[in-house]
Amino acid sequence: EVQLVESGGGLVQPGGSLRLSCAASGFTFSSYWMHWVRQAPGKGLVWVSRINRDGTSTTYADSVKGRFTISRDNAKNTLYLQMNSLRAEDTAVYYCAREEKIGIQSDYWGQGTLVTVSS
Amino acid sequence: QSVLTQPPSVSGAPGQRVTISCTGSTSNIGANYDVHWYQQLPGTAPKLLIYGNNNRPSGVPDRFSGSKSGTSASLAITGLQAEDEADYYCQSYDSRLSGVVFGGGTKLTVL
Repeated sequence: EVQLVESGGGLVQPGGSLRLSCAASGFTFSSYWMHWVRQAPGKGLVWVSRINRDGTSTTYADSVKGRFTISRDNAKNTLYLQMNSLRAEDTAVYYCAREEKIGIQSDYWGQGTLVTVSS
Repeated sequence: QSVLTQPPSVSGAPGQRVTISCTGSTSNIGANYDVHWYQQLPGTAPKLLIYGNNNRPSGVPDRFSGSKSGTSASLAITGLQAEDEADYYCQSYDSRLSGVVFGGGTKLTVL
């Protein structure tokens, strides 16, 4: 069974940092591109970042470029999102999602982890 | 303001047919990038509903269908049921932004 389990969320002050993790199981992690998608409270889905199978290619939404870094450890079957210089508007539930092998759609999602940026 | 535009809400009575539109531009849907649709029930993660414009993953009822034309796409739901009440999102790729984009989401209410 495919499982994605996010962790690392919490309360952080503006300007602070946080690293999210997404533990993958039930599939060959190294064979799939992965995404981070976020959802502010009561708002819609917003794509954050995408990484290729071996971690050599990454893309970011303009809103997080230069502040967030996506990475992966295929030996540990884990996806990461390093978030620096956090702002109040980064407050959201962060989902990791697996991209299907053909197309950019995500067929499996984690349950999400809440990041709250507040003083 | 999302790159893909969806109506904030739609509604219909049980058994009726509703459609949800997703309007893009020449750098995303109009550039021949596929459109995908997700259903998000309250308090849960999104679920892939339609991929590649008009394909249903295994387990998705054939009451759900997708279409695409020009710079727009649509999700149609026939035989509306109470459990269809959820938020629906379209997704595509944007060449100008070099990234994935979502619509703002549409809340479906079953009357």
